[in-house]
Amino acid sequence: DAKTTQPTSMDCAEGRAANLPCNHSTISGNEYVYWYRQIHSQGPQYIIHGLKNNETNEMASLIITEDRKSSTLILPHATLRDTAVYYCIVRVASGGGADGLTFGKGTHLIIQP
Amino acid sequence: NAGVTQTPKFQVLKTGQSMTLQCAQDMNHEYMSWYRQDPGMGLRLIHYSVGAGITDQGEVPNGYNVSRSTTEDFPLRLLSAAPSQTSVYFCASSLRDSVSTDTQYFGPGTRLTVL
Repeated sequence: DAKTTQPTSMDCAEGRAANLPCNHSTISGNEYVYWYRQIHSQGPQYIIHGLKNNETNEMASLIITEDRKSSTLILPHATLRDTAVYYCIVRVASGGGADGLTFGKGTHLIIQP
Repeated sequence: NAGVTQTPKFQVLKTGQSMTLQCAQDMNHEYMSWYRQDPGMGLRLIHYSVGAGITDQGEVPNGYNVSRSTTEDFPLRLLSAAPSQTSVYFCASSLRDSVSTDTQYFGPGTRLTVL
């Protein structure tokens, strides 16, 4: 799996868009970008994933650069409940193999009131 | 849907005791897995299953057993608890195709302390 680099922490004002960057300069053509988050003391939560195109769902948008070497997760209207550690994971689709999801250190996003 | 449920939420064991952590899902997911998360660290895969009757080892399987008799349930058994097994345990499930398997749904976790 390609290595990812994320800022250790970020602040964002409540109601504003939170933009979380992720660098994955060694990504290969068949690797997907996944985003998860973990709110304190809870299980990780899947947010979104993409391969090449930008993606949007009810939780967030994922913007992947044309060269696929970086991506940005956008929470359009952050709330206090979005305070969590956000993980960017790059991997080949596993199909249920023995290599579980690898969560690095992630970005601790703090939403300020 | 209740999603992925885990019981108990908290457990304290003495060294050498055995116990079973329960995990159930009501989403008809074929793939289920168990992870452990130690303080300040990422998740490590213990065991996984791609369907009823099929289980296999992950990264850190020693000291744990699993079985998958139904699609819904995937219990994790600690055979003889050790202090090194003090951790938070998460169960996860997903559909089983190449991409969907990596969009996993996690339970709330079981916080286990072994004295």
